[in-house]
Amino acid sequence: DAGVIQSPRHEVTEMGQEVTLRCKPISGHDYLFWYRQTMMRGLELLIYFNNNVPIDDSGMPEDRFSAKMPNASFSTLKIQPSEPRDSAVYFCASSPPTETGELFFGEGSRLTVL
Amino acid sequence: AQSVAQPEDQVNVAEGNPLTVKCTYSVSGNPYLFWYVQYPNRGLQFLLKYITGDNLVKGSYGFEAEFNKSQTSFHLKKPSALVSDSALYFCAVREMYDGGATNKLIFGTGTLLAVQP
Repeated sequence: DAGVIQSPRHEVTEMGQEVTLRCKPISGHDYLFWYRQTMMRGLELLIYFNNNVPIDDSGMPEDRFSAKMPNASFSTLKIQPSEPRDSAVYFCASSPPTETGELFFGEGSRLTVL
Repeated sequence: AQSVAQPEDQVNVAEGNPLTVKCTYSVSGNPYLFWYVQYPNRGLQFLLKYITGDNLVKGSYGFEAEFNKSQTSFHLKKPSALVSDSALYFCAVREMYDGGATNKLIFGTGTLLAVQP
């Protein structure tokens, strides 16, 4: 199994530009999570989906952030417009439809906004 | 509020010595507890979990963790540390509600483990 696949691995952009991060979950997993990691705030859950439907988006910082999951094998996290304080590592994770709730993480997308 | 606390930002241990990384939790009901490890520039990797049953849980790479309900703790342990164990370790608990558990994990702030040769 290829695991959770994220792209791009690194993104450097200028303030005001649109950023799109992509995630392919593990096949058969019906939960998908977007986390953000920074030194100051640690790991923050931004949003999670179940069967492609957003369940909890209370962690999305503001309207500049949006996430979609058009099908079971693809999700995007979009930031428009980006700001320097959005610089972080963004992780996607998926989990299978089991009781235990173990998450499988991708390698992350490191975003730098100048 | 439901939470996980990792009181130590960093733990230093000599190779070959036993290690302990501490974690305490605050949730209602019976907790679902997890440990993850993160190596530099990598995603988090699952180490072990406690759902129910034996309080001592064994996981990957020789790690184990002990669930202590009275102390609301879930400390990570390893009898003999390796330099390659040096990494960032996260404790996590599933968010609980009256009917059970959601699939949302609440993570601690992480503990950096440094194993000296």
